Amino acid sequence: DTEVTQTPKHLVMGMTNKKSLKCEQHMGHRAMYWYKQKAKKPPELMFVYSYEKLSINESVPSRFSPECPNSSLLNLHLHALQPEDSALYLCASSPTSDSYNEQFFGPGTRLTVL
Amino acid sequence: AQSVTQLGSHVSVSEGALVLLRCNYSSSVPPYLFWYVQYPNQGLQLLLKYTSAATLVKGINGFEAEFKKSETSFHLTKPSAHMSDAAEYFCVSNQGGKLIFGQGTELSVKP
Repeated sequence: DTEVTQTPKHLVMGMTNKKSLKCEQHMGHRAMYWYKQKAKKPPELMFVYSYEKLSINESVPSRFSPECPNSSLLNLHLHALQPEDSALYLCASSPTSDSYNEQFFGPGTRLTVL
Repeated sequence: AQSVTQLGSHVSVSEGALVLLRCNYSSSVPPYLFWYVQYPNQGLQLLLKYTSAATLVKGINGFEAEFKKSETSFHLTKPSAHMSDAAEYFCVSNQGGKLIFGQGTELSVKP
């Protein structure tokens, strides 16, 4: 299995809702990432998990809460989001977070905040 | 800090023509460089990566890139464009797990 899966594909939520995005990989990778991508822009790094520990938080607002329950699974919990948080959320994984490793991306979750 | 610059936010070629997408990097140490492609409403797919083993790197779908240290460049080429190559292309440097993206180049292919 050489892919990263993300669920759901699409998500519409109100500003008072609580929802979660899920990401899974079975490649034995020990680094996992969350990115946010706005239209016509490159992805922006949000969080990095290395060996199930949060290693990088790019000053993301607390309304986004990541979780790594095990080495295969990565969640992003969403609460009290703003309309400007609407974007494509991409998950990625790599064998480790070393610079020579490529990152494998999932298809993304298209999030709309009303 | 490393940075990656892609020259041209939009490139248009005819089907069968040469594709050339330009990328320059700034770094004082040998970078780890990648080209990714993104089709509409999809995730990013790795085309190729520079590992320092060879300056000419061959990737998927007929793409290749040449690492030129003297020019700090890593341009992406394909001899003959196909309609299915229409997509967004990102030149990327990896700095300790943090990907540094170029701004992207949208490739259009005309019939």
